Amino acid sequence: GQQLNQSPQSMFIQEGEDVSMNCTSSSIFNTWLWYKQDPGEGPVLLIALYKAGELTSNGRLTAQFGITRKDSFLNISASIPSDVGIYFCAGQINYKLSFGAGTTVTVRA
Amino acid sequence: ETGVTQSPTHLIKTRGQQVTLRCSSQSGHNTVSWYQQALGQGPQFIFQYYREEENGRGNFPPRFSGLQFPNYSSELNVNALELDDSALYLCASSLTGRGGDVETQYFGPGTRLLVL
Repeated sequence: GQQLNQSPQSMFIQEGEDVSMNCTSSSIFNTWLWYKQDPGEGPVLLIALYKAGELTSNGRLTAQFGITRKDSFLNISASIPSDVGIYFCAGQINYKLSFGAGTTVTVRA
Repeated sequence: ETGVTQSPTHLIKTRGQQVTLRCSSQSGHNTVSWYQQALGQGPQFIFQYYREEENGRGNFPPRFSGLQFPNYSSELNVNALELDDSALYLCASSLTGRGGDVETQYFGPGTRLLVL
């Protein structure tokens, strides 16, 4: 199946810093999504992108759908302690979501 | 909260047993997808149910099967459990439109299955 390469695998950041993570694929997707998962819970949708080149914000989060439709990035500005968690990118084509392996974010107070 | 509920929250089984996991979709949604998430990995697509039929399947053996009911809720059944089936099982609900496009998927909290 499709494989998404998500990087970095993990990051330690200082509170107040900006964070960037990205996802690349060898396959084209119609939709890119970013989810956050806290321990013991299911993934929660952060941002959905439906069109190549689209740049969308949700509060301190900004994500872009790459022009080639094979990549996406997520930025978190001015990180706070509750940003801790695992962030997953997912590409969707038809009915199926393919996920990256996740980026674990730990915030240093 | 997404409105997607799953039961049970945790389950312990032994190798060779069978298990049934349940999912209630979000109000207004007609499609349920199931995912397996092993520790430290992203969710892997198992299958999707729409109109009470399997609408697509990932790379999982036939001992993984499912059902969808008229109220759009769904079950995931796994027969002949293996140790590697230990994982978090997630269901996601979405709306499939008349054109067949599957809209954004919203996840439930998952069922943690441990196979001993």
